[in-house]
Amino acid sequence: EADIYQTPRYLVIGTGKKITLECSQTMGHDKMYWYQQDPGMELHLIHYSYGVNSTEKGDLSSESTVSRIRTEHFPLTLESARPSHTSQYLCASSESGWGLESYEQYFGPGTRLTVT
Amino acid sequence: AQTVTQSQPEMSVQEAETVTLSCTYDTSESNYYLFWYKQPPSRQMILVIRQEAYKQQNATENRFSVNFQKAAKSFSLKISDSQLGDTAMYFCAFMSIQGAQKLVFGQGTRLTINP
Repeated sequence: EADIYQTPRYLVIGTGKKITLECSQTMGHDKMYWYQQDPGMELHLIHYSYGVNSTEKGDLSSESTVSRIRTEHFPLTLESARPSHTSQYLCASSESGWGLESYEQYFGPGTRLTVT
Repeated sequence: AQTVTQSQPEMSVQEAETVTLSCTYDTSESNYYLFWYKQPPSRQMILVIRQEAYKQQNATENRFSVNFQKAAKSFSLKISDSQLGDTAMYFCAFMSIQGAQKLVFGQGTRLTINP
């Protein structure tokens, strides 16, 4: 399995709390991504990064924010959690460069978030 | 914007049978990449197989192969000699070569292999 880690794996938290979902990879990949996976299992890109100090919003609007201060670390933060944020969040990373091999994304195990 | 459609929400076959999962996509680009990812229950998503659009030859990886029909914008996955460990959600995904190299996923197909 790929060397990409997410913590916590499961989180149940009350409305209004601030939370940070952690994602780390040991592969030295420049590109990192956050996906939201809804109960119907569809995945939607919410944030991505090309490298340190680079962050972009994805295709699905999200109230979360991300930061990329170190290559290996790409945390996602929700300032005030709401029940609508209940979902599974998947982190992924890929190499830089060109060619099909560099486009493969390696996924973490996910964080299942429940906001009550 | 590109879209990916998987029209089979669930499929179920017996062990050792062959199964084909369907995927269609919509794009105006001529060069792009296509992927099949597998998400086993409570485990990490992993890449199964990938295809470059400008290559006519269908990709194969052991028991997994694709039928890539570029004109029809179809990218089906065939699993031969299915095994219990193939039970998983399978996602078809599209990636444009241009721009941000983002994956656009289909809705997924839940595949169950029965003993």
